[in-house]
Amino acid sequence: DIQMTQSPSTLSASVGDRVTITCRASQSIHNWLAWYQQKPGRAPKLLIYKASSLEIGVPSRFSGSGSGTEFTLTISSLQPDDFATYYCQQYNNYWTFGQGTEVEIK
Amino acid sequence: EVQLLESGGGLVQPGGSLRLSCAASGLSFSSYAMSWVRQAPGKGLEWVSIISSGGGTTYYADSVKGRFTISRDISKNMLYLQMNSLRAEDTAVYYCARGLGSSGLFDAFDMWGQGTMVTVSS
Repeated sequence: DIQMTQSPSTLSASVGDRVTITCRASQSIHNWLAWYQQKPGRAPKLLIYKASSLEIGVPSRFSGSGSGTEFTLTISSLQPDDFATYYCQQYNNYWTFGQGTEVEIK
Repeated sequence: EVQLLESGGGLVQPGGSLRLSCAASGLSFSSYAMSWVRQAPGKGLEWVSIISSGGGTTYYADSVKGRFTISRDISKNMLYLQMNSLRAEDTAVYYCARGLGSSGLFDAFDMWGQGTMVTVSS
């Protein structure tokens, strides 16, 4: 099974900050990685797929990069609507999610 | 409006059964693989099962293999999850989710329902 590890688990930031979340896979997943945003009581929302492709309708301040085993999600300028939990997901070999990164207000 | 709507959740005793449904509207249901993903209270996301667009291929997480069965009725635009031999650790919100459709069966999930809660407790 492929394990996905996100860091940090919690991130405190202010509006306007540049935020980076890292996701590491236990083995190469090429670029078969997605990022999701989830707010309390809501379903996850797809942000990025294939490591760096921005889903339609997602603001351009979100970007993804990486390949192989190490990936990052970057929010270039954090907005009030961005405080949420973010999950990475590999879909190279079945589907596995990271444990999540909560982005909270500093 | 394009949407997925789950139903069928509730309280069930350990060892019991439950069938979840997911109604798809406003989308070409038969063209996409569909999955179930669950989230235990206060925990992260766990993929449960997937069915291919035509229904001929299914996969399950090891944690539910042999107990859960995924199916779909294309004529009714419905997705199902039959859950048997339920355990306390199956307690979670269950989401249905649509495969993005850009990479075959193994793909990201671009559309999600609002979820239905399943509680397994005596």
